[in-house]
Amino acid sequence: SQKIEQNSEALNIQEGKTATLTCNYTNYSPAYLQWYRQDPGRGPVFLLLIRENEKEKRKERLKVTFDTTLKQSLFHITASQPADSATYLCAPVSGSARQLTFGSGTQLTVLP
Amino acid sequence: DAGVIQSPRHEVTEMGQEVTLRCKPISGHDYLFWYRQTMMRGLELLIYFNNNVPIDDSGMPEDRFSAKMPNASFSTLKIQPSEPRDSAVYFCASSLEGEGNQPQHFGDGTRLSIL
Repeated sequence: SQKIEQNSEALNIQEGKTATLTCNYTNYSPAYLQWYRQDPGRGPVFLLLIRENEKEKRKERLKVTFDTTLKQSLFHITASQPADSATYLCAPVSGSARQLTFGSGTQLTVLP
Repeated sequence: DAGVIQSPRHEVTEMGQEVTLRCKPISGHDYLFWYRQTMMRGLELLIYFNNNVPIDDSGMPEDRFSAKMPNASFSTLKIQPSEPRDSAVYFCASSLEGEGNQPQHFGDGTRLSIL
């Protein structure tokens, strides 16, 4: 069956450092992988999408990589700030699918 | 721009009562999704619609759950009768036509507590 694993439920880092979050998937051949951010009491908010033929995608301080051989995506936040503290969710998506299946999320805390 | 609007934000009711959750998607979006989020199971898809037609309801837990989309600007998720294990946050999301490259836009959810 399809499985999505995100690294450690919680990740604490110091302000200014780079946060790296991992999303591993099995029994999937996703054409896309989406990343979302969720704050307490709010719905998930879309951040970035990367396609299977893209190795890397950047948006401001965010960078996503996608390795279809390792079946893994890495999500980096550089120069992290306390405002980056949130739960981050990944969702690998098959090419024809409209629905998303989310990982369990990684709760990131950036300490001042 | 108005995002996805859900109501109520919080609902507390007693076991056995009927619960109706409401959602207004973003205007022009072709897809509407209902999710449930719990600590144990994370964010799970319940059902989704395309152009008001239910496409996949395989995530609906049981017959007590039903969803409708009478028009492009409104959807409901109903639980009857409700049970304590239905307590969760229920999210509605919408997206444009397209494949997995379309982002979903979520509402802020309805926090449901069944006593």
